[in-house]
Amino acid sequence: GIQVEQSPPDLILQEGANSTLRCNFSDSVNNLQWFHQNPWGQLINLFYIPSGTKQNGRLSATTVATERYSLLYISSSQTTDSGVYFCAVAYSNAGKSTFGDGTTLTVKP
Amino acid sequence: GAVVSQHPSWVICKSGTSVKIECRSLDFQATTMFWYRQFPKQSLMLMATSNEGSKATYEQGVEKDKFLINHASLTLSTLTVTSAHPEDSSFYICSARVAGVETQYFGPGTRLLVL
Repeated sequence: GIQVEQSPPDLILQEGANSTLRCNFSDSVNNLQWFHQNPWGQLINLFYIPSGTKQNGRLSATTVATERYSLLYISSSQTTDSGVYFCAVAYSNAGKSTFGDGTTLTVKP
Repeated sequence: GAVVSQHPSWVICKSGTSVKIECRSLDFQATTMFWYRQFPKQSLMLMATSNEGSKATYEQGVEKDKFLINHASLTLSTLTVTSAHPEDSSFYICSARVAGVETQYFGPGTRLLVL
């Protein structure tokens, strides 16, 4: 099956700093999503981005499908950004997703 | 829109008992629901895919007789952990997807502790 690798596994930032999270995948995908899991366990959709670039406030994401990676950018980080960020990919929109191991982000005040 | 609920959010049970977890799509009809489990500090592992009106498809290594899944309507799927044991203690999360829509929406999860 498809392999998904996320880096770095852990990231500690000072409030206000910027960061880049990476997701590499081993095969062509038609579906890629970024999620934020908050400290209570709730997964929040950030982006559906099988290719191209999207922005939503302080967050943006870019997927280069031909090179099999996606990047999530967080600018001017806030303590509420803390949590685990997951990348999930699928071969098709109807198919099941494979999750990466996540990046645990800690933003310190 | 696209809200998914789970009930209960927390459950503690004795070893050997069965526990049922409900997953509901509140404002849309979900043609497909997924069930995941997550151990502490780990990623989500897909357990099964559930399509309304048909039998669930289980991932390799997941015991279908232990984890019973019923997707009786377009808004409700249930996961029953039968004869639960301490090693079944985990965080169980469901997600729902609408046909033709790419994103899946997650419920808040259910924490199961088997004593």
